[in-house]
Amino acid sequence: SYELTQPPSLSVSPGQTATITCSADKLGDYYVSWYQQKPGQSPLLVLYQDTKRPSGIPERFSGSNSGNTATLTIRGTQAMDEAAYYCQLWDRNTAFFGRGTELAVL
Amino acid sequence: QLQLQESGPVLVKPSETLSLTCFVSGDSITSSIYYWAWIRQPPGKGLEWIGSVFYTGDTHYNPSLKSRVTISVDPSNKQFSLKLNSVTAADTAVFYCARHRLEPQRNWFDPWGQGALVTVSS
Repeated sequence: SYELTQPPSLSVSPGQTATITCSADKLGDYYVSWYQQKPGQSPLLVLYQDTKRPSGIPERFSGSNSGNTATLTIRGTQAMDEAAYYCQLWDRNTAFFGRGTELAVL
Repeated sequence: QLQLQESGPVLVKPSETLSLTCFVSGDSITSSIYYWAWIRQPPGKGLEWIGSVFYTGDTHYNPSLKSRVTISVDPSNKQFSLKLNSVTAADTAVFYCARHRLEPQRNWFDPWGQGALVTVSS
């Protein structure tokens, strides 16, 4: 089993930068995807292959992955960004998800 | 635009088999680069991948569920299905289907269906 560690929660003020981390041993050796899930909704892919944004995802979402930590950064955080965020990778023919970070925009 | 829709019973009795079907519309299910996945989310908890199927029938399963799971595909009807047997209350969850780019260097789930809440209770 591959355990991906995320902080359970994070709070930021509108307009600030939110930095959500996902940690595991040698995580930088893998490609990480990130999903946003708002209450009552399905998850939405916001980043794949560490840094790539699907069509329709705002430029304020960016990512990095090096060493033991992958990071999802949201610059100029807006109220609409309030959601749970999950990291995900594929290893040994199995998909692993982090436990998620609840982002509050207060 | 690709859309996925889960369908199946909302209530299953303990020890019985949970069955769900995902209907795919707006694109081909016989893509050469995508698998089709089931993922679940217990109420108030995180996401757990159950397994994925290719249109040829090739499957990958979560080792923790493999003994109880069967995922199959019906390309002619653009649908794929999940069977989870010997269910308990711990299997109560929202079940999502999703398209799965499944390669070691290219691996993500997009898009997702709206989800189906299945409750295990007598």
